[in-house]
Amino acid sequence: EAGVAQSPRYKIIEKRQSVAFWCNPISGHATLYWYQQILGQGPKLLIQFQNNGVVDDSQLPKDRFSAERLKGVDSTLKIQPAKLEDSAVYLCASRPSSGRGTDTQYFGPGTRLTVL
Amino acid sequence: SQQGEEDPQALSIQEGENATMNCSYKTSINNLQWYRQNSGRGLVHLILIRSNEREKHSGRLRVTLDTSKKSSSLLITASRAADTASYFCATLPQRGGSNYKLTFGKGTLLTVNP
Repeated sequence: EAGVAQSPRYKIIEKRQSVAFWCNPISGHATLYWYQQILGQGPKLLIQFQNNGVVDDSQLPKDRFSAERLKGVDSTLKIQPAKLEDSAVYLCASRPSSGRGTDTQYFGPGTRLTVL
Repeated sequence: SQQGEEDPQALSIQEGENATMNCSYKTSINNLQWYRQNSGRGLVHLILIRSNEREKHSGRLRVTLDTSKKSSSLLITASRAADTASYFCATLPQRGGSNYKLTFGKGTLLTVNP
């Protein structure tokens, strides 16, 4: 079974520029999460999707961050414009809604963003 | 906000020794999970313990849960250099609903020296 795929793995941008991250979850996983992990901290949930609907985006800075999962499969997270404090690793995770492992989140390798 | 807080923040041991990490949390939970993160990689699920369980084992891992103290511990026995990683506890709140939302702690950085 293929794991969660993310791209790009690394991105360096100037502040005020825009950036987009892509995630392809494990096939059949209805729930998809985007996390932000700042160096030295644990992952912080940004947004949670169930199929193509948003379940929780309470911690998403909506003035600059947006995310979509149009067909209920892959997802993109965008930052526009980026700030220095957005430098972090952006992790995507997915979780099945039925069968084995419904309590487990499966993480991708992450995208390391550096904002200069 | 962070629900779980791991202790210690960093731990350095020799190969073959046991490593113990602790996690404290604030609100009632449905379950508590431990994840491992190798440098530059995503998180990998290790073990889950439910609120009605007190101890679970998986290979060289042993997890305990004390809901009265709102704390959990992860023991790795006979550590190996490959166990070097950051370890995070994550909690799922007791309240119901379809929002399956984990809250992660800040992690313990474990270094196992050969």
